[in-house]
Amino acid sequence: NAGVTQTPKFQVLKTGQSMTLQCAQDMNHNSMYWYRQDPGMGLRLIYYSASEGTTDKGEVPNGYNVSRLNKREFSLRLESAAPSQTSVYFCASTDGGGSGNTIYFGEGSWLTVV
Amino acid sequence: GDSVTQMEGPVTLSEEAFLTINCTYTATGYPSLFWYVQYPGEGLQLLLKATKADDKGSNKGFEATYRKETTSFHLEKGSVQVSDSAVYFCALSDGYSSASKIIFGSGTRLSIRP
Repeated sequence: NAGVTQTPKFQVLKTGQSMTLQCAQDMNHNSMYWYRQDPGMGLRLIYYSASEGTTDKGEVPNGYNVSRLNKREFSLRLESAAPSQTSVYFCASTDGGGSGNTIYFGEGSWLTVV
Repeated sequence: GDSVTQMEGPVTLSEEAFLTINCTYTATGYPSLFWYVQYPGEGLQLLLKATKADDKGSNKGFEATYRKETTSFHLEKGSVQVSDSAVYFCALSDGYSSASKIIFGSGTRLSIRP
């Protein structure tokens, strides 16, 4: 029972390098999200996708791009990594059919930018 | 905009103590409310939820009641165990946007002493 799968789990980047975090869910969910988690800041929404083919900015979108490749997959790209993007990144999904739906999280991707 | 405020941690208790973690929210309309738990090195997982006023969510001995009059959703447990040590997040879902954006509090770290 995979749920939400994200890769890679750990990554170290040099400033200015680019990378893509991959996320896939096998629950046939409509909505997918990318969050970042920083100490004392809780989770902050980067981008979300309400359904296949749509994406919208969240609270902290600067420096990131996303692609909803299909219903299963939602990737997050850092075009030119900066030390301020050192964080733990979580992908999540939900059915999105109503406000009471549970959101399911991946296990997280630890990214360090040096 | 919508927001969630929860008590700052860390909270340290002895085993079998009574736990309360306060959570208040600001929202237009009638959001759904959630408590998520994050164990070390893992993603968030749903602990309990309530979708309308006066509903009580419960799971694993934890309870929270949706209080519209005080805009609160405090988490309680009568007798905590060492295994309850984790970070707890209060969250709301607005239910208005097509993606039903989920907004998280900053998290409360709970440590239980044997």
